[in-house]
Amino acid sequence: GDSVTQMEGPVTLSEEACLTINCTYTATGYPSLFWYVQYPGEGLQLLLKATKADDKGSNKGFEATYRKETTSFHLEKGSVQVSDSAVYFCAHSTSGSRLTFGEGTQLTVNP
Amino acid sequence: KAGVTQTPRYLIKTRGQQVTLSCSPISGHRSVSWYQQTPGQGLQFLFEYFSETQRNKGNFPGRFSGRQFSNSRSEMNVSTLELGDSALYLCASSRDRVYGYTFGSGTRLTVV
Repeated sequence: GDSVTQMEGPVTLSEEACLTINCTYTATGYPSLFWYVQYPGEGLQLLLKATKADDKGSNKGFEATYRKETTSFHLEKGSVQVSDSAVYFCAHSTSGSRLTFGEGTQLTVNP
Repeated sequence: KAGVTQTPRYLIKTRGQQVTLSCSPISGHRSVSWYQQTPGQGLQFLFEYFSETQRNKGNFPGRFSGRQFSNSRSEMNVSTLELGDSALYLCASSRDRVYGYTFGSGTRLTVV
């Protein structure tokens, strides 16, 4: 069935370090891919998205490229900040009416 | 532009009771979806409504139900509450599935 697999956390980095959170998926058809972020006590915020192969989503310094050949959508940022500390969720939508989420990756950035 | 509004933010109920949660989508969004978030199971899809019709449903027992009104506001109801229903319930609305979903801050339900 459809699924999303994220790298296990938690991930702890120093400020200005590079970030990569791996995400792979299985899906029937051609899914849309998303990264959501969740800050403590809050709901999910859409960070970026890509709707077709080779699309690159980007926002707030974060990027992810839709790789159909490797069924991946890895999240990257060149220089993380303390304010980036949160839980990050990779997700896809195939039928369009439901999101299938990964387990989430807790990121902590230390000053 | 107002975001997705969920009420109440926090709720404590006793086993066996029922509960109703409310969600007001972004103006112009006709699709409303509900998700349950727990530490053990992560984020799981409950159901989606579009123009007052349930369009998709997840694998939850019949105790979980929902509806959508003509103004796109949605409610979900859980009857005969169990301890395992304690979770953060998130509502998301969408104008177009391809463009993604905007989530509310959630309702934290605790069943004691």
